Order: sequence, then structure tokens, then C-alpha cells
Amino acid sequence: EAAVTQSPRNKVAVTGGKVTLSCNQTNNHNNMYWYRQDTGHGLRLIHYSYGAGSTEKGDIPDGYKASRPSQENFSLILELATPSQTSVYFCASGGTGVQDTQYFGPGTRLLVL
Amino acid sequence: SQLAEENPWALSVHEGESVTVNCSYKTSITALQWYRQKSGEGPAQLILIRSNEREKRNGRLRATLDTSSQSSSLSITATRCEDTAVYFCATVDSGGSNYKLTFGKGTLLTVTP
Repeated sequence: EAAVTQSPRNKVAVTGGKVTLSCNQTNNHNNMYWYRQDTGHGLRLIHYSYGAGSTEKGDIPDGYKASRPSQENFSLILELATPSQTSVYFCASGGTGVQDTQYFGPGTRLLVL
Repeated sequence: SQLAEENPWALSVHEGESVTVNCSYKTSITALQWYRQKSGEGPAQLILIRSNEREKRNGRLRATLDTSSQSSSLSITATRCEDTAVYFCATVDSGGSNYKLTFGKGTLLTVTP
């Protein structure tokens, strides 16, 4: 069974503060993804990666950075958090095939005050 | 604008009944995936149907794809309370190497005893 874990599961941050969300996968997948999910918007892609050292912009990258230091780990960084970034964030991993499944983590609930 | 969209936005059925969720999309696709997301969890793939396939089954689930009308459906027979979840369609766009999924906003299915 594919395994994607995220930490923390819940986070409260202050406006202007730095937030780092972490994701770890044990599937040995090359591709990893960060999404945010908001009511009325479904899942939206923020950043993704094809492998260690690579990051690519998704559909809504503004205000976010990503880091892929290893095959297993993919982080999402909010350098200056804003209340509009309050959301649930999901990490996923997947193979390189165009029809491969994406395996999602349990999500991180972020509240920016 | 939304590239993939499910309808209706919510459904409620009694246990044992059948139900169908529809999806319309706006791009040329390589494949379409259906995901289910239970409360408090990340999405999980149910079915992948390729652009050259018209129907795919997985147990009580049946997905159809009509590329001419750019639409898909997911049917669930003999529904159970544990089928209560949000159901998403996600398109895999053709012509690119990014292997990104574009999710719709989802249909909330509630199955009552």
C-alpha cells in the first residue's frame, strides 16, 4: 500500500510568519505534488516535482515555494503567511506514467491568523 | 474557468440504491480518473479510464467515457453508508509531459441507512 505522510497535521500560524509543511513518501515515486483544497474550489495544484532537486510551478504558485531535497521528501514553504492561505493542504506522490495513480497524504489543516 | 466539473454538486440516496455522478471536461485528455475523498482523509483513486476506452468496471463501480461529448460518468450500484464521500473526476491532459491532474470541485454523495 502506498504511503504518504504529512506533518504537521494541524498548524496555526500568524500573518507574516514562515510556515513549512512537510511530506514524506515511501513509494519510491519520482513525482510529488502539493495541492490546496478550499470549499468551492476543489483541489488546486500549487507545486510539483519530478525528482530530487526539481520543483515546478503548478496552477496557483504565488506565495508558495517548494523544496525537494530527496526522493522521499517534498516541502511546501510559505515565507510570509497570509490569512488567504488558510486551507487544507494535501501532498501526493505518483509514478512518471501519464496514467499513473496519485497517492495522497492525510492533509494538513493550516490556519493563518 | 473550471476545466473539469462534476454534477450534481450533491446527491443523497438510501443504502442499496444505485447512483450516478457525471463529469464534463473541456480539454483533450489522455485519461480520466475518478477519486473518492472521505471526510478527514485525502482523495483515493477509484478508477482510471483511458481515452480509447468507453467503459471500465471496478467491483460495484462503473465508469464511462465519451470523448466526443467530453463527458464521463461514475455509477455505484448497491450503495453502502461507507460510500458517503466527495467524488471527483480528474483529467490527465494530453499533449504535455507534466502528468498533472486537473480536478473538478466534486460531488458530495450521502448514503443513508
